[in-house]
Amino acid sequence: DQQVKQNSPSLSVQEGRISILNCDYTNSMFDYFLWYKKYPAEGPTFLISISSIKDKNEDGRFTVFLNKSAKHLSLHIVPSQPGDSAVYFCAASDSSGTYKYIFGTGTRLKVLA
Amino acid sequence: DAGVIQSPRHEVTEMGQEVTLRCKPISGHDYLFWYRQTMMRGLELLIYFNNNVPIDDSGMPEDRFSAKMPNASFSTLKIQPSEPRDSAVYFCASTLAPGYEQYFGPGTRLTVT
Repeated sequence: DQQVKQNSPSLSVQEGRISILNCDYTNSMFDYFLWYKKYPAEGPTFLISISSIKDKNEDGRFTVFLNKSAKHLSLHIVPSQPGDSAVYFCAASDSSGTYKYIFGTGTRLKVLA
Repeated sequence: DAGVIQSPRHEVTEMGQEVTLRCKPISGHDYLFWYRQTMMRGLELLIYFNNNVPIDDSGMPEDRFSAKMPNASFSTLKIQPSEPRDSAVYFCASTLAPGYEQYFGPGTRLTVT
């Protein structure tokens, strides 16, 4: 049973527009969420995170929004650039437990020049 | 630092053979994680170590899989005997402490024919 779900396997966006990547989770004990970016033939790299005490965290062009009641988080990239083309994974953890991250299946973002 | 190092980068083997994947974490990182990436399940945590001790191996799919960490700078993931369904990309990651960013290696692409 997937506790972290990314229902869109792929997304295409024009350069300069907003990219919105979505993630849903089922475990109400999750209190820390992360986004990782992965380029081909490389390991995932950390992008941005958010704690459940916040509903928004911003870092440059990247903003993560958390809606705890809906068990939903999203990553906004504004403006999107061709170099943002990658697979994005969301992950969640329960800090009262073992701190292991549960990852989603990923969304492949393609930013069109 | 060179980052997390994994070897080999690619492994092709025949069904029934033993496969050993290797990982060198970032120096000073006390936590080491082994993940498997597949299209269907995304990034799955197989096992993680703290100070060379296995903490949670609930993600290890079968007894055919085993992992060791004989010292702070080296870990292995062994599959014996290997099966075609084990074909995937295997990642190793390390981190300083719970709640900190996990740093991933470049992965080992395993193909079992």
